[in-house]
Amino acid sequence: DGGITQSPKYLFRKEGQNVTLSCEQNLNHDAMYWYRQDPGQGLRLIYYSQIVNDFQKGDIAEGYSVSREKKESFPLTVTSAQKNPTAFYLCASSRTVWNTEAFFGQGTRLTVV
Amino acid sequence: AQRVTQPEKLLSVFKGAPVELKCNYSYSGSPELFWYVQYSRQRLQLLLRHISRESIKGFTADLNKGETSFHLKKPFAQEEDSAMYYCALTRGSTLGRLYFGRGTQLTVWP
Repeated sequence: DGGITQSPKYLFRKEGQNVTLSCEQNLNHDAMYWYRQDPGQGLRLIYYSQIVNDFQKGDIAEGYSVSREKKESFPLTVTSAQKNPTAFYLCASSRTVWNTEAFFGQGTRLTVV
Repeated sequence: AQRVTQPEKLLSVFKGAPVELKCNYSYSGSPELFWYVQYSRQRLQLLLRHISRESIKGFTADLNKGETSFHLKKPFAQEEDSAMYYCALTRGSTLGRLYFGRGTQLTVWP
């Protein structure tokens, strides 16, 4: 099944711990994105990457970090500095950063207790 | 700054009734507008984009630059249209990142 795979689907962590969310795509897309989805707030961009070894901050990057060592992978780390990490996280990709049709993963629901 | 506004958080209609999901935007340049849809337990996916000027699943949306709107319309709603709908904007030929509205949850009653 091609597309974008996010894992795990549900994730629980203790407050103060860093946690890494996985995002893999086999669409050969150059651009990848991480969004945070909160009820009533739509999707807000955390980080995006135009190409391997490059990434840029989005609107709410504080408390998050990413890497893009491989074209197909764009993991997101939620650090202890993120004040309100409990949320639904969506990963997306597009053919290029100027090709605006985004393909989304199924999402990861992170709960910090 | 660009902004996408979806004034209705929830919208309910009966099957067979017309439906219109509102979207207004603010951007001084030439935006590209999109509607994305998320059905229950499915991933978010593109429904339509204004540059294609197409009808998908009976839905259409016209970009009105004068009113800065991109409302989504369907003349006869079906139960399977029940979903969360997001309006999104990108800044034309510049960076392809999407700016999303807050979403409208559409419920179509039988």
